[in-house]
Amino acid sequence: AQSVTQLDSQVPVFEEAPVELRCNYSSSVSVYLFWYVQYPNQGLQLLLKYLSGSTLVKGINGFEAEFNKSQTSFHLRKPSVHISDTAEYFCAVRVGLWNFGNEKLTFGTGTRLTIIP
Amino acid sequence: GAGVSQSPSNKVTEKGKDVELRCDPISGHTALYWYRQSLGQGLEFLIYFQGNSAPDKSGLPSDRFSAERTGGSVSTLTIQRTQQEDSAVYLCASSFQGGVGQPQHFGDGTRLSIL
Repeated sequence: AQSVTQLDSQVPVFEEAPVELRCNYSSSVSVYLFWYVQYPNQGLQLLLKYLSGSTLVKGINGFEAEFNKSQTSFHLRKPSVHISDTAEYFCAVRVGLWNFGNEKLTFGTGTRLTIIP
Repeated sequence: GAGVSQSPSNKVTEKGKDVELRCDPISGHTALYWYRQSLGQGLEFLIYFQGNSAPDKSGLPSDRFSAERTGGSVSTLTIQRTQQEDSAVYLCASSFQGGVGQPQHFGDGTRLSIL
C-alpha cells in the first residue's frame, strides 16, 4: 500500500522569504502526486499535480513542486511567501494503476504554514 | 451552485444517536468521495462512488458507517450509534468521471461533534 510522509507539522516563515514543504511517498507502483491547500474552515483546494512528463510542476499562487523518483519526494516550494499563504498544506498520492479500486487519494498528515509579518 | 455543497456545516449530537451528512456534488461529476479529517489522523478515505459501479467501501472504519448515492448525484453518509471518536470533519469531493487527470473538488465539510 502507498503512504505519504510530511515530516514538518508546522513551518513558520517570515513574509517574502522562500519556503519548502517536504513530502515523501512510498509505493511499489507508479504514482500520481498532488498538493492541496486548506484555508481555515474551508475544504481542500488543488494547488498542483504531477501526472507525467516534466518533473517540475507549476501550480496556482506561485507554488511549484518537483517530482524526484529516486528520492521518492515531491517537495512544494515558493520563492517568496505572502501573509495570505498561511494555511495547511497536504500532500497526496494516488497509485498509477487504472483500476476502480485505486481511485482514492492517500494524504499526508499536513503541514501548517504560518507566515510571520 | 458551482461547487460541492455539504450540509449541515456543523452538527452536534449526543453519543449513541444516528447522524446523516449530505453531499451535493458538482453537476456532471460522476465520481464522489467521502473523507474524514480528524485531529492527529489527517485525512482518511472512507468511500468512493463512480457512476453505477459498486462503491469502494474499503475505508469505512466500522459497520456503523454507511453511504448511499441516489440517482448518481446526491450522497448521504450515515453514522449509526455515534461514538466520541467519530468527532471529525467529514469532507466530500467529486470529480469528472474519476479519471486520474481529473482533480477532486472538495466541499467545505461537515464538522461533527459527539458529546
